[in-house]
Amino acid sequence: DSGVTQTPKHLITATGQRVTLRCSPRSGDLSVYWYQQSLDQGLQFLIQYYNGEERAKGNILERFSAQQFPDLHSELNLSSLELGDSALYFCASSVDGRNEQFFGPGTRLTVL
Amino acid sequence: EDQVTQSPEALRLQEGESSSLNCSYTVSGLRGLFWYRQDPGKGPEFLFTLYSAGEEKEKERLKATLTKKESFLHITAPKPEDSATYLCAVQFGGSEKLVFGKGTKLTVNP
Repeated sequence: DSGVTQTPKHLITATGQRVTLRCSPRSGDLSVYWYQQSLDQGLQFLIQYYNGEERAKGNILERFSAQQFPDLHSELNLSSLELGDSALYFCASSVDGRNEQFFGPGTRLTVL
Repeated sequence: EDQVTQSPEALRLQEGESSSLNCSYTVSGLRGLFWYRQDPGKGPEFLFTLYSAGEEKEKERLKATLTKKESFLHITAPKPEDSATYLCAVQFGGSEKLVFGKGTKLTVNP
């Protein structure tokens, strides 16, 4: 158990819908990262927050957005969902941005 | 061009048969190289961080080494429970994101 929690574990929804994925980092960790893992692309960095502020963006679609709240938990919002958005979404946290990242169990999103 | 390349893509070993997994990278300004283990449908589990060429780290049957352009994960006398996908990732330049390779799927047969 890494100490990073993610909810829900599974999400099944339809194209065009909007969903919210939630992540709670390890106690004491200020940095939160979101990654997407699909079969053909591997693990891809989406976005990073540090102590409530956006720090870095990767290949995140405009339909996707995220935020980190004062209690340091983070939410990833995915809207206008397409079939290709089906993937595993992982949250990771680290004490700061320079050390190892610890991953949560992931949310499996299926878009039908 | 991939910045992180792992080989082989898949490796099948007999229990007790030692081997090595390779991770090569083309980025400059390496800040750290990370090894993770991932079981099917689970999140990556952190194994090691290597920061500079010549560094080595060990944990049970695993040993990770780093040179200027690649890293090796040596598995000594593996057991079936070592079966998993092993992922390599790099952190470089001014960025704090991890760039992952596509992984090596290891199967250890009893």
